[in-house]
Amino acid sequence: DVKVTQSSRYLVKRTGEKVFLECVQDMDHENMFWYRQDPGLGLRLIYFSYDVKMKEKGDIPEGYSVSREKKERFSLILESASTNQTSMYLCASSRDRALNFGPGTRLTVT
Amino acid sequence: AQSVTQPDIHITVSEGASLELRCNYSYGATPYLFWYVQSPGQGLQLLLKYFSGDTLVQGIKGFEAEFKRSQSSFNLRKPSVHWSDAAEYFCAVGAESGGYQKVTFGIGTKLQVIP
Repeated sequence: DVKVTQSSRYLVKRTGEKVFLECVQDMDHENMFWYRQDPGLGLRLIYFSYDVKMKEKGDIPEGYSVSREKKERFSLILESASTNQTSMYLCASSRDRALNFGPGTRLTVT
Repeated sequence: AQSVTQPDIHITVSEGASLELRCNYSYGATPYLFWYVQSPGQGLQLLLKYFSGDTLVQGIKGFEAEFKRSQSSFNLRKPSVHWSDAAEYFCAVGAESGGYQKVTFGIGTKLQVIP
């Protein structure tokens, strides 16, 4: 089975801090994704990447950036965290269209 | 751009009763479709997927879904619900554009199962 791991299950940061969320997959998948999940809004795509050093904006990229230096690792960066970025962040990878999700990181910005 | 509508935010069913969760999508071409389940505090698990071929798709945990192109629907069904099926269910539509894929999710349907 594909395993997607995320560096933290829970994270608390202060407003204005730079935040790194790390995601690693172990199945050599080309595609990787970052979503945020909020009650009543479902999952919304922030960024995705289809190859090393390649990235594409999703539906809500504002306030975020990403990095993909190695195929197995896809990082989400909050340059200056704000309270409206408090959310559940889900990473996923895929090769044959179906997404494989990690357990999620619940980020609280105070 | 594709979109997904899950019209029911909450559904309550009795254990042993049948279940149908509705999903409608919007996409200009033939999409590929998914249902995912999320138990409390967990990530999302793939229940089933439709890419092409037989429009009735079997998934894990006794779930099935039927793709109806004329209705732009992909409803999820289970003949007899178990208490462990209480979770949140997400329908998703995927499409390929510019050589890469993009998957869009609905807002989810929260299923409560009562004894």
